[in-house]
Amino acid sequence: GENVEQHPSTLSVQEGDSAVIKCTYSDSASNYFPWYKQELGKGPQLIIDIRSNVGEKKDQRIAVTLNKTAKHFSLHITETQPEDSAVYFCAASIGDSGAGSYQLTFGKGTKLSVIP
Amino acid sequence: DGGITQSPKYLFRKEGQNVTLSCEQNLNHDAMYWYRQDPGQGLRLIYYSQIVNDFQKGDIAEGYSVSREKKESFPLTVTSAQKNPTAFYLCASSMWQTYSNQPQHFGDGTRLSIL
Repeated sequence: GENVEQHPSTLSVQEGDSAVIKCTYSDSASNYFPWYKQELGKGPQLIIDIRSNVGEKKDQRIAVTLNKTAKHFSLHITETQPEDSAVYFCAASIGDSGAGSYQLTFGKGTKLSVIP
Repeated sequence: DGGITQSPKYLFRKEGQNVTLSCEQNLNHDAMYWYRQDPGQGLRLIYYSQIVNDFQKGDIAEGYSVSREKKESFPLTVTSAQKNPTAFYLCASSMWQTYSNQPQHFGDGTRLSIL
């Protein structure tokens, strides 16, 4: 089955700096890659996603890049703010034709701390 | 407001007891999911349902059961057969489209502990 590795497990940045979180996946058939932000005691919130037919996607201060050849994808947060502090999860899904499960396999998360 | 409601927020289970976690959504989503989250771990899929009266096992279904009698509701029962039930349980839902992943949206979870 699919395996997703996420690095680093913790990340501290100064307010205003950029943060980058990287994930690698094992199954070349994976074609959907969402990123979630989870605050303490809350459920994960989808912040951005990318499909395999796109190399990069941006939404204001957040961007995601995908390298299908290397099987890795990254989350980039620019001009970080204290409210960006949370745990971030990447995930991958095959969404294959027929099986219909669209099961998401998650990384183990990155705890981001933005220091004022 | 549309969303996913999980209840209760905190739940305690005695040894040998079954407990049921509630999940309701008013997003008109076809698919619903249950995940388990342990400290420092990613989310692991327990069960999912694409349509009413149908559900499939995920990676860690042993000791759990579900039902899907209504589109809006997908309750999870943690049975006494689940020997390590202490965890944060998350329910999610999404639209369903053949051959295309649709974003999954999560509730705010139920934290289950053993007395």
